[in-house]
Amino acid sequence: QSALTQPASVSGSPGQSITISCTGTSNDVGYYNYVSWYQQHPGKAPQLIIYDVSHRPSGISTRFSGSKSGNTASLTISGLQADDEAAYYCSSYTSTSAPWVFGGGTKLTVL
Amino acid sequence: QLQLHESGPGLVKPSETLSLTCSVSGDSVTSSFYYWGWVRQSPGKGLEWIATIYYTGSTYYHPSLKSRVTMSIDTSKNLFSLRLRSVSAADTAVYFCGRIVYSDYYFDSWGQGTLVTVSS
Repeated sequence: QSALTQPASVSGSPGQSITISCTGTSNDVGYYNYVSWYQQHPGKAPQLIIYDVSHRPSGISTRFSGSKSGNTASLTISGLQADDEAAYYCSSYTSTSAPWVFGGGTKLTVL
Repeated sequence: QLQLHESGPGLVKPSETLSLTCSVSGDSVTSSFYYWGWVRQSPGKGLEWIATIYYTGSTYYHPSLKSRVTMSIDTSKNLFSLRLRSVSAADTAVYFCGRIVYSDYYFDSWGQGTLVTVSS
């Protein structure tokens, strides 16, 4: 069972926008609209920021948005803030023998 | 307000069994709206899904761990558990428990995590 593919790191300056990609296959991202994104600060538990490709849970800033095209999902963070510096993980439901799969994670650095 | 709390030994010897429990407050493990799951994170690494259970007892395990892992649910104590047999140093990780929305398969709530070190 292969993890979803994310870039290891991205960076941006305060106020800028960044996009993190998450590439899967036709068994997961490409087939299901069950892509979710999690933010994890060092030493903390992950926190849900996007579910079902593009939906934000209550309390999550509108600066976070999600989308999908084919086998690739994307997380965009606009108006970067210092507190956005964290690791971001995508996840998808899959039709394989392991129904839940995560991406390898992307470390966001706010310059 | 939902709270999940992992508990268990922080140190396990190689070849022995790792046992963790996740106590749930603010919801019932018998809810038909949710699965309950375990995810781990090795030091400096990413998240790895381990196992998921539904209140009916249906379980789903990561193929690479399936031969060593058992997940169970205790409705009387409102908790669920993980057992991982024959551990090695590769199983050293922070183990998180979480609640998974049944209809959409995402983790909407997580415990704070517990570090388990496998060492003699």
